[in-house]
Amino acid sequence: NAGVTQTPKFRILKIGQSMTLQCTQDMNHNYMYWYRQDPGMGLKLIYYSVGAGITDKGEVPNGYNVSRSTTEDFPLRLELAAPSQTSVYFCASSYSSRQGELFFGEGSRLTVL
Amino acid sequence: QQQVKQSPQSLIVQKGGISIINCAYENTAFDYFPWYQQFPGKGPALLIAIRPDVSEKKEGRFTISFNKSAKQFSLHIMDSQPGDSATYFCAPLAGNNRKLIWGLGTSLAVNP
Repeated sequence: NAGVTQTPKFRILKIGQSMTLQCTQDMNHNYMYWYRQDPGMGLKLIYYSVGAGITDKGEVPNGYNVSRSTTEDFPLRLELAAPSQTSVYFCASSYSSRQGELFFGEGSRLTVL
Repeated sequence: QQQVKQSPQSLIVQKGGISIINCAYENTAFDYFPWYQQFPGKGPALLIAIRPDVSEKKEGRFTISFNKSAKQFSLHIMDSQPGDSATYFCAPLAGNNRKLIWGLGTSLAVNP
């Protein structure tokens, strides 16, 4: 039972480079989320999706883009990486927005130098 | 404006002791009150949750106490164990936009 799978686990980028963080889930969940976690700052919502073809901005969307072409996949694109994007990124999914239980991946640690 | 205030920021407890973490909120539209547990290098995972129609829920050594009039809810860990050492987040669910509002976390260390 894989759950939510994120790749890569670690990545170092140079300023101005771009990359995509991959996220896939095998639970047939409609709702998917991208969060970033910085020390002492809790989790900040970047983007979320309520189903294939539908995405919306969270609290901190600037510098990121997402797409949702299938139920399973929800990649996060970083364009023109900046040191402020150094963080741990978590993808999550849920069956229902009313239930509130999110299933998280193990995270992707990104460093921008 | 921080909608959820979690305290303490860190907590050290001896094995067998009681750990208590509090979460105060402002939005009266919250209708689901979960606690998430996160171990180093892992994503958060749901530990226990409560809805506002009950004042307390117990699952094993973990209990949520909910005080609607005071707008706060607490996590109690009885007989704390070193394996409970983790970061704990409250994350009530906003009634209108259906997104979790995360506290800043409490780092719990249980000494053996």
